[in-house]
Amino acid sequence: GQQLNQSPQSMFIQEGEDVSMNCTSSSIFNTWLWYKQDPGEGPVLLIALYKAGELTSNGRLTAQFGITRKDSFLNISASIPSDVGIYFCAGYYGQNFVFGPGTRLSVLP
Amino acid sequence: DSGVTQTPKHLITATGQRVTLRCSPRSGDLSVYWYQQSLDQGLQFLIQYYNGEERAKGNILERFSAQQFPDLHSELNLSSLELGDSALYFCASSVGSGSGGDTQYFGPGTRLTVL
Repeated sequence: GQQLNQSPQSMFIQEGEDVSMNCTSSSIFNTWLWYKQDPGEGPVLLIALYKAGELTSNGRLTAQFGITRKDSFLNISASIPSDVGIYFCAGYYGQNFVFGPGTRLSVLP
Repeated sequence: DSGVTQTPKHLITATGQRVTLRCSPRSGDLSVYWYQQSLDQGLQFLIQYYNGEERAKGNILERFSAQQFPDLHSELNLSSLELGDSALYFCASSVGSGSGGDTQYFGPGTRLTVL
């Protein structure tokens, strides 16, 4: 089945820094979703993207649906300790839904 | 709070046993999805039901089964449990049948421990 690649796999940043992570695929997606998961909790939807080129913000988070429809990125500005967690991209290609392996974010005070 | 509820929150049982996990979708959502997440792993899609009918199947073992009832709640049955079945089991729901634009909202999960 289709695989989503997320990079980086993990990252350590200082509080206050900006973060950028991305998600790529070899297939064309018609929806991209970004989720955050805290340890032992369910994934929480952060941003949903439905059109190529779409740029959407949610507070300090900004995500974009790539023009080629094969990628998406998520940026977090001015990181804070509660940004710690695993960030998953997910999306639909045709009728199929798939999750990426996640980017694990650690924020150092 | 996503509006998706799951019970129980924790479940501890022994190998060979059978358990049932329950999920209530958000009000108005017709699809329910089940996922398994082992320690430090990604989410593995198990199965989807839409309006009472099986819609899509992922990597679900034959020892596992699910159903969606007329009131749209769903149950995931796990039988002949093995140590490797210990994991977090998540339920998600969405409005439609699962296609582009159909956002999934996740419940808090059930942590299953098999001893």
